[in-house]
Amino acid sequence: AQSVTQLGSHVSVSEGALVLLRCNYSSSVPPYLFWYVQYPNQGLQLLLKYTTGATLVKGINGFEAEFKKSETSFHLTKPSAHMSDAAEYFCAVSEGGGADGLTFGKGTHLIIQP
Amino acid sequence: DTGVSQDPRHKITKRGQNVTFRCDPISEHNRLYWYRQTLGQGPEFLTYFQNEAQLEKSRLLSDRFSAERPKGSFSTLEIQRTEQGDSAMYLCASSLALLGADTQYFGPGTRLTVL
Repeated sequence: AQSVTQLGSHVSVSEGALVLLRCNYSSSVPPYLFWYVQYPNQGLQLLLKYTTGATLVKGINGFEAEFKKSETSFHLTKPSAHMSDAAEYFCAVSEGGGADGLTFGKGTHLIIQP
Repeated sequence: DTGVSQDPRHKITKRGQNVTFRCDPISEHNRLYWYRQTLGQGPEFLTYFQNEAQLEKSRLLSDRFSAERPKGSFSTLEIQRTEQGDSAMYLCASSLALLGADTQYFGPGTRLTVL
């Protein structure tokens, strides 16, 4: 069965600093991987996804993530944090091409310090 | 594209009562998913439909839970004899099944509080 581990329930960075949110997964088949963001009182919004092919995936709002099979990781990065990036971020894995139920991590709350 | 909508947004009920939630997917999306999210946790998959057929149910979906999608469009999730442990955010998502990766688009959720 697939699983996702997000290291750090809370991450705090200064505005303008690098954002790094960690995600490690476990899957018995080549996974499809997703990052979603959740703002307060809103639904989840897709930031980016990895399916096949290029391992560096670019998403919305300047975020990107790199699939590293050898490390079973899919860490999310952004070169320069903005105050508007403060939110909850979830990593998710699918063994069915995204067509099955996604397995989510517990989330990382990103705090941006002015 | 008006997005996935859910109704109601908030529901407060007393233990033992039945509740029903509705989800309207993005039009022409043939897959619809239900998830549950408790405080401090990521969403947990409950069940999903392709058109009107319920294809998968999680072990989290106890006998008190039932979901339907009668005409392959909107879906309802009913919880019978609610318990305090059912308090959570119930999320609906929809996708268009294509060869290759599906993307699930989420609604705003229905927050259930069981007193």
